[in-house]
Amino acid sequence: AQRVTQPEKLLSVFKGAPVELKCNYSYSGSPELFWYVQYSRQRLQLLLRHISRESIKGFTADLNKGETSFHLKKPFAQEEDSAMYYCALSRGSSNTGKLIFGQGTTLQVKP
Amino acid sequence: DAGVIQSPRHEVTEMGQEVTLRCKPISGHNSLFWYRQTMMRGLELLIYFNNNVPIDDSGMPEDRFSAKMPNASFSTLKIQPSEPRDSAVYFCASSFFGGGDSPLHFGNGTRLTVT
Repeated sequence: AQRVTQPEKLLSVFKGAPVELKCNYSYSGSPELFWYVQYSRQRLQLLLRHISRESIKGFTADLNKGETSFHLKKPFAQEEDSAMYYCALSRGSSNTGKLIFGQGTTLQVKP
Repeated sequence: DAGVIQSPRHEVTEMGQEVTLRCKPISGHNSLFWYRQTMMRGLELLIYFNNNVPIDDSGMPEDRFSAKMPNASFSTLKIQPSEPRDSAVYFCASSFFGGGDSPLHFGNGTRLTVT
């Protein structure tokens, strides 16, 4: 079965500290992985996707097929990073809007 | 472009009443998705359309739920009759699928409360 697991409901760090939001997935084929973010009072929006291999707002995520993980990292957290983060999976061959989401992790960056 | 537009933003209704949620996707997008967000189950895909045709409705919880897309610029999600366990935030999202997919664009959601 396809599944996305985000083990932490809440991650609280101080400004300037490194951040790692964990995401593990279960899928036997070649998945596409995404991170979506929802800032307070804003709509859910794409942060990054693994095939782009880019850094957005200082965040990066590497797909590790051996560990079936797609952790989101940032070396120095900023207060404006406080938001809800969702990891999502799409079957590589299907419509990439058909996503399976994790439960989400709330990132709280304290001053 | 104003993005994906959903209405109403909030809906409070009594158990047994019919509820209709509305969505206008981004112009030019050919795929439309309805997702539901609850504390217990997180974000779940209910149904999606490609070129106005329902492709996968396996996430629709039961027959009380129905969705339509009469044209490329409008979709509805209807619950009849509504029950308290339907209380959730319902998101509509759209994208372009085919020849280089666009990211999924979400609306602001409709917060439904069934008393």
